[in-house]
Amino acid sequence: GNSVTQMEGPVTLSEEAFLTINCTYTATGYPSLFWYVQYPGEGLQLLLKATKADDKGSNKGFEATYRKETTSFHLEKGSVQVSDSAVYFCALSDKRSNTGKLIFGQGTTLQVKP
Amino acid sequence: EAGVAQSPRYKIIEKRQSVAFWCNPISGHATLYWYQQILGQGPKLLIQFQNNGVVDDSQLPKDRFSAERLKGVDSTLKIQPAKLEDSAVYLCASSPNPDSRGQYFGPGTRLTVL
Repeated sequence: GNSVTQMEGPVTLSEEAFLTINCTYTATGYPSLFWYVQYPGEGLQLLLKATKADDKGSNKGFEATYRKETTSFHLEKGSVQVSDSAVYFCALSDKRSNTGKLIFGQGTTLQVKP
Repeated sequence: EAGVAQSPRYKIIEKRQSVAFWCNPISGHATLYWYQQILGQGPKLLIQFQNNGVVDDSQLPKDRFSAERLKGVDSTLKIQPAKLEDSAVYLCASSPNPDSRGQYFGPGTRLTVL
């Protein structure tokens, strides 16, 4: 079945450090891929998405590239801020089923220290 | 544009009691999802509605969970009777259509079963 695996957290960085959060997926076919972010006390927010191989999603300085050959969608940011502290979820949606159902990874907590 | 609304935000009950959660999706969104997010895990789909019909309830524990979306707008999720393992955050999400372009999430209801 379809699944998503994320790197274990928490990830602790100093402000302005480079961020990578690894995400790999297992799916039949070519799913759409997403990164959602959950700030403390808030709901999930869509951060970025990519719908086909080699697409790059980007938003608020974050980027992720859909890599079919490595079945990966790693999240990167060149310079993190304290305000980026949150839980980040990688997710996929199987386009073939056309239900929009999301399958999530377990989440990675990012802590950015000043 | 108003986001997805959920209530209550927090609920504490004793095991074997009943509880109900309410969700009002973004206006015009035909597709509504309920997810369960257990602490330290990613959200897991419980049920999906398209207007007032059920698209997917394969992961809903039907012996104790029920959900309805009678007029194709707001929705109620009920648990009766609750178990300790039902302690989680219940997230409602909506989208214009059941496709793979992403969903909009509400703030969630945090349920604690004692």
